[in-house]
Amino acid sequence: GQQLNQSPQSMFIQEGEDVSMNCTSSSIFNTWLWYKQDPGEGPVLLIALYKAGELTSNGRLTAQFGITRKDSFLNISASIPSDVGIYFCAGQVFGNEKLTFGTGTRLTIIP
Amino acid sequence: GAVVSQHPSRVICKSGTSVKIECRSLDFQATTMFWYRQFPKQSLMLMATSNEGSKATYEQGVEKDKFLINHASLTLSTLTVTSAHPEDSSFYICSAPRLGASGFTDTQYFGPGTRLTVL
Repeated sequence: GQQLNQSPQSMFIQEGEDVSMNCTSSSIFNTWLWYKQDPGEGPVLLIALYKAGELTSNGRLTAQFGITRKDSFLNISASIPSDVGIYFCAGQVFGNEKLTFGTGTRLTIIP
Repeated sequence: GAVVSQHPSRVICKSGTSVKIECRSLDFQATTMFWYRQFPKQSLMLMATSNEGSKATYEQGVEKDKFLINHASLTLSTLTVTSAHPEDSSFYICSAPRLGASGFTDTQYFGPGTRLTVL
């Protein structure tokens, strides 16, 4: 099935650094969702975006719904050890509950 | 707290046996649930859509006779892996969309996953 292009594929950062990742699509989505998955667990919803241009924050996390509706961005400020994990974007088309997932960004914090 | 549960969290079975995985929405009703499979270091791949009161719809390449789905109630969907083989070993995750006040999908919640190992 289709997957969204997510970059970077992996990131190695030091604690306290800011993180940016993005997700791009060849087609338009009406909803963008960002999830975090820890090893051996299901994805946990971080932020949901419903409107083009929307900028939404959840604590140290900020996500934006691209104006073209074909991309989305996630920023994490002042990273901490518990931010380690895999981050997935997901897009949804209005009227269709199926999600199309990104390829994932693996975040590692270097001690 | 968790809004979607899965049981069991992990299961080990012998080749040729069948395994049933349950997915429950805990505080909302879900007429639709989704089943995903995830191999190590890969993203989630949608297997099928579970529909309450009707047949499941399967994604291309997924064998419907091998992965039986039953949406028994508005809060329960089950996935049965029949005649399991080692190549079926994977992480199986379900999700359930929750409707918002508008009547459209508010967001989608995932279960904690089931690790299946077929020996």
